[in-house]
Amino acid sequence: DVKVTQSSRYLVKRTGEKVFLECVQDMDHENMFWYRQDPGLGLRLIYFSYDVKMKEKGDIPEGYSVSREKKERFSLILESASTNQTSMYLCASTPLGYGANVLTFGAGSRLTVL
Amino acid sequence: KQEVTQIPAALSVPEGENLVLNCSFTDSAIYNLQWFRQDPGKGLTSLLLIQSSQREQTSGRLNASLDKSSGRSTLYIAASQPGDSATYLCAVASGGSYIPTFGRGTSLIVHP
Repeated sequence: DVKVTQSSRYLVKRTGEKVFLECVQDMDHENMFWYRQDPGLGLRLIYFSYDVKMKEKGDIPEGYSVSREKKERFSLILESASTNQTSMYLCASTPLGYGANVLTFGAGSRLTVL
Repeated sequence: KQEVTQIPAALSVPEGENLVLNCSFTDSAIYNLQWFRQDPGKGLTSLLLIQSSQREQTSGRLNASLDKSSGRSTLYIAASQPGDSATYLCAVASGGSYIPTFGRGTSLIVHP
């Protein structure tokens, strides 16, 4: 089975801190995604990447950046955390191509910014 | 831009009932539609994926159908059990970069 691992399940940070959320997948998937999930708003796409060193903005990229130096790892970076970034962050991956690609999620990272 | 709507937002049923969850989307040019389950505080678990060329998929007590022309999918759960209690989300993959767009989910409670 494909495994998508998010390194931190729960984080508590202070306003202004730099935050790194790490995501690693073990099945050589080309596409990787970062979503945030908030009550009443559902899942919203922050950034996605379809190859090493490639990145595309999603619907809500403001306040975030990403890094993909290796195919298996996609990192989400909050340069200066703010309280409105308190949320559940979900990473997902899928192979290249269309149609039969199952989107596989990690367990999520619950971030609280004080 | 693709928009995905799920109705109802919440559902509470007694154990043993057969139930239907609905998902509608605005752009019928899709690659696939996927149904997920999410338990509180956890990630999403894939249940079924229907490719654009398919009409339905089945797994155990779950059956998902797809009608692209009307922009609808349904998830049918037979003989519901308390363990089915969770939030169910649908995601539609469309657009040139294969971007999954999610509905806000249906929160299901199955009571004994």
